Amino acid sequence: AQSVAQPEDQVNVAEGNPLTVKCTYSVSGNPYLFWYVQYPNRGLQFLLKYITGDNLVKGSYGYEAEFNKSQTSFHLKKPSALVSDSALYFCAVRDGDGFNKFYFGSGTKLNVKP
Amino acid sequence: DGGITQSPKYLFRKEGQNVTLSCEQNLNHDAMYWYRQDPGQGLRLIYYSQIVNDFQKGDIAEGYSVSREKKESFPLTVTSAQKNPTAFYLCASSISGRYQFFGPGTRLTVL
Repeated sequence: AQSVAQPEDQVNVAEGNPLTVKCTYSVSGNPYLFWYVQYPNRGLQFLLKYITGDNLVKGSYGYEAEFNKSQTSFHLKKPSALVSDSALYFCAVRDGDGFNKFYFGSGTKLNVKP
Repeated sequence: DGGITQSPKYLFRKEGQNVTLSCEQNLNHDAMYWYRQDPGQGLRLIYYSQIVNDFQKGDIAEGYSVSREKKESFPLTVTSAQKNPTAFYLCASSISGRYQFFGPGTRLTVL
């Protein structure tokens, strides 16, 4: 069965420091992995995806994520956090060999303090 | 501009009443989805549709119904059988399983 785990409900980081939001996954086929961000009372916005190729994926707004097949992880990173990065972050996986069905983690609330 | 629209933004339902949430996209995407979001629980899939006139139940379909008569539209009806419908509802679309594009959401509250 496909699943995604985000082990941290909340992450706190000071502005200017690097941030990491963790995600691990389980799929039966080749994983298609995604990160989204959600601001209060809004829909989700796509940040980046991993389909194949380089393990380090670069996305919007300076975000990047590292795919690690042996650890089945896809952690989101940013070198220098901004207060405006404070939001809810979701990791998602789609089974690349299956139907167009996506599985989401429970979300991680990122708090960036000035 | 291409995108997904959801209406209304806020919806109030009385006990025993059916309500319909609208979702329209002009992205020419084949697949459309409905999710329910509750605090601390992430997104749970209600229904999804890969082509017109076809849809499948997701993980929490009980008490909900959908239709897909047009490629652009995927309305969700919350029936009186859904005992705890208060939540934030998100519609999404995708093409060929690439990343999903989300609408702004509808917040449903039961009075």
